[in-house]
Amino acid sequence: AQRVTQPEKLLSVFKGAPVELKCNYSYSGSPELFWYVQYSRQRLQLLLRHISRESIKGFTADLNKGETSFHLKKPFAQEEDSAMYYCALKASSNTGKLIFGQGTTLQVKP
Amino acid sequence: DTAVSQTPKYLVTQMGNDKSIKCEQNLGHDTMYWYKQDSKKFLKIMFSYNNKELIINETVPNRFSPKSPDKAHLNLHINSLELGDSAVYFCASSQDQVRSYEQYFGPGTRLTVT
Repeated sequence: AQRVTQPEKLLSVFKGAPVELKCNYSYSGSPELFWYVQYSRQRLQLLLRHISRESIKGFTADLNKGETSFHLKKPFAQEEDSAMYYCALKASSNTGKLIFGQGTTLQVKP
Repeated sequence: DTAVSQTPKYLVTQMGNDKSIKCEQNLGHDTMYWYKQDSKKFLKIMFSYNNKELIINETVPNRFSPKSPDKAHLNLHINSLELGDSAVYFCASSQDQVRSYEQYFGPGTRLTVT
C-alpha cells in the first residue's frame, strides 16, 4: 500500500535548536518525495523535492531508501519556521497523484 | 493577482442540502485537484482533472461530483450533505500531470454541516 507517515503531530523546539521532522513512506516503486509547508494565514506551498537535493530556507531532506524515510532537517530553527509541514509522495507518474502525510506542526519558541 | 481562488471561503449549511464550491486558476495550468482536509488536518486527494478530463477519482461517495467547464475551472458539487462532510476543501492546480509535484493551492473552503 502507498502510504506516508509523519509520526509527530506537534514538534516544539527553541529558537536555535536543531529540527528534524520525520517522514516515512511505503511505496513499491521508485519514490518521488516532497515537503510542503503552510505558514500561518498562507497557502500550502512546495518547500523542496528530494530529486533536486537543494536547501531551501536552510532546510534539507535526504531520501533514505533503506529506511524508507525522508526526514526534513534544519540545524538552527528560527521563529519564522513555525508552520505546518506535510510530507508527500508522488504515487503515480501517469496521474500525478500525491499522497500526503498527516502533517506536523512545528512550533519554534523564542 | 490571486493564482488559485475558491468561493466561498466559509459555507455553513444543514444536512440534506446540496451545495457547490467553485475554483478558478489564472496560472494557465492544465491540471486541477480537489482535496479534503479533515479535522485531524489529514489532506486527501479526491479528484483531479487534466484539460477537463477526469484522471483521478478516489473512493469518494457519489454525492460528490466535480465539474470542469474549462481547464481554468474545477467546481465541486455535493448532494445530500452529511455531518461527516464537514471539512476544509482545497483546490489546487499544477502545470501538468508530470509536474504534479508542484501544486498551487487555493485558500480552502471551510464547510460546516449542521
